[in-house]
Amino acid sequence: SQTIHQWPATLVQPVGSPLSLECTVEGTSNPNLYWYRQAAGRGLQLLFYSVGIGQISSEVPQNLSASRPQDRQFILSSKKLLLSDSGFYLCAWKRGPSSGNTIYFGEGSWLTVV
Amino acid sequence: ILNVEQSPQSLHVQEGDSTNFTCSFPSSNFYALHWYRWETAKSPEALFVMTLNGDEKKKGRISATLNTKEGYSYLYIKGSQPEDSATYLCALAGGTSYGKLTFGQGTILTVHP
Repeated sequence: SQTIHQWPATLVQPVGSPLSLECTVEGTSNPNLYWYRQAAGRGLQLLFYSVGIGQISSEVPQNLSASRPQDRQFILSSKKLLLSDSGFYLCAWKRGPSSGNTIYFGEGSWLTVV
Repeated sequence: ILNVEQSPQSLHVQEGDSTNFTCSFPSSNFYALHWYRWETAKSPEALFVMTLNGDEKKKGRISATLNTKEGYSYLYIKGSQPEDSATYLCALAGGTSYGKLTFGQGTILTVHP
């Protein structure tokens, strides 16, 4: 069976510090991978998606970047965090290209920038 | 930008009540409509993926319908239980092959014993 894990679960970081959130998927190959964020009082917003190693698409301009160094690994990064980066970050995966396939989410990471 | 609206924003019901809520979306460029159940401190759990106009799906006491021509989907819960308390999210997948989802704000359901 397929599993998805992301870490750390909780993070408190000062403004201007770097960020690295990591996500890995097991039990499948060549998944589509996604990073979503829920900021306070807002719905889930897609930040990045990837259809293959090294292929990253950004959905919204922001202070964050994503990388996919291996097939089942997706990393969310920032060089210098802003207060507005605080939120709940969710990694997700999907099998294949069809938009009708279910998307499965990781456990989420709470980021508080202070 | 796709606009997905959910109503009501929150709902309080008594145990045993049946309830329903709405997801509205633009009917153009529709590919699929996803429903998720999201409990606090857990990851969103997929309930349904619906693609065809007139689709009806059921999972236990939860069911959903889809009208792509008028751009809405209903989620029904029959005989609500306290464990049904969660945020229910709908998300629209547009006509691309990448599975990008546009989420609504969610409906927060609280079932009181």
